[in-house]
Amino acid sequence: DAGVIQSPRHEVTEMGQEVTLRCKPISGHDYLFWYRQTMMRGLELLIYFNNNVPIDDSGMPEDRFSAKMPNASFSTLKIQPSEPRDSAVYFCASRVSGNTIYFGEGSWLTVV
Amino acid sequence: AQRVTQPEKLLSVFKGAPVELKCNYSYSGSPELFWYVQYSRQRLQLLLRHISRESIKGFTADLNKGETSFHLKKPFAQEEDSAMYYCALLDRGSTLGRLYFGRGTQLTVWP
Repeated sequence: DAGVIQSPRHEVTEMGQEVTLRCKPISGHDYLFWYRQTMMRGLELLIYFNNNVPIDDSGMPEDRFSAKMPNASFSTLKIQPSEPRDSAVYFCASRVSGNTIYFGEGSWLTVV
Repeated sequence: AQRVTQPEKLLSVFKGAPVELKCNYSYSGSPELFWYVQYSRQRLQLLLRHISRESIKGFTADLNKGETSFHLKKPFAQEEDSAMYYCALLDRGSTLGRLYFGRGTQLTVWP
């Protein structure tokens, strides 16, 4: 398996633009997580899904952020409109219930 | 509630010196704890989990329920150990297997 695949790896965008981050979890994994990593706040859980259903989105910072998982092999995290303070590394991760969580390589977002 | 605490944001040691990265947790049940490592600009990778009781890359971590700690140790640090280390706790309770991470400790091993 290629592991958790994220795209884009790097994105630079202007404030106010829409940003869409994509994730393909490992096949057969029934949990999918979106994390944000910054120097100031460390690793924060934004939202996670179980069997494509959002379980806990309490970490989503505000209404500008939304996440979907239309099927077992794809998820998106959208920021609209983006702001400079959204600049961070966004990690997607997946796992099978009870087992180790595997991370993608991250999407490095810079909003100018 | 903060479930995982890593009190040191930064830790520096010289090559060959022992290193200990601290992790304390709060959890009412029987915890399952992990250490993840993130090398520069790479993904987080599982380093070890307490139920495996294994040693990976010379690192060990023992769960101390009395002190609610899961410190990561290595007797002789190497330059390639320089990385960010995250302690994590798996919640098997009502939040359906959520993994709580500490804030991380950036380890630098000087030559």
